[in-house]
Amino acid sequence: NAGVTQTPKFQVLKTGQSMTLQCAQDMNHNSMYWYRQDPGMGLRLIYYSASEGTTDKGEVPNGYNVSRLNKREFSLRLESAAPSQTSVYFCASLAGGRTDTQYFGPGTRLTVL
Amino acid sequence: AQSVAQPEDQVNVAEGNPLTVKCTYSVSGNPYLFWYVQYPNRGLQFLLKYITGDNLVKGSYGFEAEFNKSQTSFHLKKPSALVSDSALYFCAVRDRNTGFQKLVFGTGTRLLVSP
Repeated sequence: NAGVTQTPKFQVLKTGQSMTLQCAQDMNHNSMYWYRQDPGMGLRLIYYSASEGTTDKGEVPNGYNVSRLNKREFSLRLESAAPSQTSVYFCASLAGGRTDTQYFGPGTRLTVL
Repeated sequence: AQSVAQPEDQVNVAEGNPLTVKCTYSVSGNPYLFWYVQYPNRGLQFLLKYITGDNLVKGSYGFEAEFNKSQTSFHLKKPSALVSDSALYFCAVRDRNTGFQKLVFGTGTRLLVSP
């Protein structure tokens, strides 16, 4: 049981390049999330998927798109990377219910030059 | 709107001493409250949560937190700190009256335990 996995662990992009961050969970969780972590700002929600087939915007969605490919996988795409998107990105999943806890992946450290 | 404040960027404590990491929250309804810990280059790990009932919640690694509704606080505590407790700690809140996606995090407090 690997929990939540993310690929890649590190990535360096040039401004304007695109890339997709991958996330998968093997806990049969319904909901999945993408956050970014920046110094002094905590974690901010980018997008979430309450269940397979649905996605919704979070606090900071601009410049990102997501795909809930199936119940296991939730990808985050940067179409045209900008230096402001330099951050650490975390994927999380949650089984269901308001009292449940989110489980986090190890993160992807992205640098945009 | 929900919000969480962690007023201290860093807390320093000597090993063996008690520690407190502060958290205050603001929600329109009743809260669900969480503490997570992040070790270097790792994802967040769940420590404990308050849902209802006893105001003192016990969690992993000997940590506990006290829910105080009148002061809207949920401070994290441990009676005797270990050097291995050094990490970044996040408080988070979810309003019971909104969807489960509305988990809001504080900015984090770095705990440094010296030998």
